[in-house]
Amino acid sequence: GAGVSQSPSNKVTEKGKDVELRCDPISGHTALYWYRQRLGQGLEFLIYFQGNSAPDKSGLPSDRFSAERTGESVSTLTIQRTQQEDSAVYLCASRVGLYSGNTIYFGEGSWLTVV
Amino acid sequence: GDSVTQMEGPVTLSEEAFLTINCTYTATGYPSLFWYVQYPGEGLQLLLKATKADDKGSNKGFEATYRKETTSFHLEKGSVQVSDSAVYFCALTGNQFYFGTGTSLTVIP
Repeated sequence: GAGVSQSPSNKVTEKGKDVELRCDPISGHTALYWYRQRLGQGLEFLIYFQGNSAPDKSGLPSDRFSAERTGESVSTLTIQRTQQEDSAVYLCASRVGLYSGNTIYFGEGSWLTVV
Repeated sequence: GDSVTQMEGPVTLSEEAFLTINCTYTATGYPSLFWYVQYPGEGLQLLLKATKADDKGSNKGFEATYRKETTSFHLEKGSVQVSDSAVYFCALTGNQFYFGTGTSLTVIP
């Protein structure tokens, strides 16, 4: 596609429910990133996929968080048993390859509110 | 490990004032450096970048020079406008992208 596409754009869920957030990267982009941004805060790295290599999961805050990506296509971030502190914007980004000068392109984000 | 330290905000300036937002980094190897901007209610977008030492990135009147000797990539603009009000993020990359905490800028008429 023309840009990074994320869905849903907004999600309100009850505490304890599971949620799935989807990211469709720019076609041909081998690297895909998930970040979390709490209100008024900076970007918190969650997970990074590069091609078929093992993902870098070092930023996932707990075992309630997981993410999958099949090949170089869509990725899904799953949050199980949501808590109120999970409320944030979840940002997906992608870029071509691993050359350090390659720009990372962000989606509009998925706003998650846990009530 | 690699990291970025960014000047904390918020910053409030009058229109046509000079802007500097400081950014310093720690990195192994030869990273590229970026400034991203997040306008109110919008996603992050690239403002400018520099891929090697002494390079200057520029866009929309903003400039930043990659200074290896001082490990810095300060963002500057000679005359800010109300429309520049946004949050600015400095970033560093090799494989991973490392972002600063963001600096909120408000420009008042």
